[in-house]
Amino acid sequence: GESVGLHLPTLSVQEGDNSIINCAYSNSASDYFIWYKQESGKGPQFIIDIRSNMDKRQGQRVTVLLNKTVKHLSLQIAATQPGDSAVYFCAENTGGFKTIFGAGTRLFVKA
Amino acid sequence: DTGVSQDPRHKITKRGQNVTFRCDPISEHNRLYWYRQTLGQGPEFLTYFQNEAQLEKSRLLSDRFSAERPKGSFSTLEIQRTEQGDSAMYLCASSASGRAGDTQYFGPGTRLTVL
Repeated sequence: GESVGLHLPTLSVQEGDNSIINCAYSNSASDYFIWYKQESGKGPQFIIDIRSNMDKRQGQRVTVLLNKTVKHLSLQIAATQPGDSAVYFCAENTGGFKTIFGAGTRLFVKA
Repeated sequence: DTGVSQDPRHKITKRGQNVTFRCDPISEHNRLYWYRQTLGQGPEFLTYFQNEAQLEKSRLLSDRFSAERPKGSFSTLEIQRTEQGDSAMYLCASSASGRAGDTQYFGPGTRLTVL
């Protein structure tokens, strides 16, 4: 069956350090992957996405890496800031409308 | 603010009562989605509209749930005879139709508490 999961439920990093959040997916037919950030009391906020024909995509302070061989996705946040504290979800899409979310990783940034 | 909006933000109701939530998507988006999110979990897909047509419903959407998007703009989600297990955050998202795998933009959600 389809599943999107995360290796760690929580991640604690020092302010200024880089953060890496990992995600595993099981549906090899998925061709579109998205990272969302969710702060307390708010809806998920789009961060960055990547399609299956790419293995890396960079945004502002964020990079997403996709390894289709091992069905692994990661989100790298450079110079992590207190405002980055949130729950991060990876999500996969097999084409069309349905997006499947993982359980999320909570990122704590220590000052 | 041109993002997705939802109303109300919070709803407390007694078991057995009916509740209705509203979602206003981003104006140029013709796809609209409803999700349910419980504490510590990712959003779970409930249903999807393209314009006014409801094209997919999850098994999670029991007969007590109904969603409409009558004019292809705003949408409502109604839950009849609420149960305590319905307590959750109900999220709405919208996207512009395009190639497969379009980016969904979420509203702030409606938090439902059933007593």
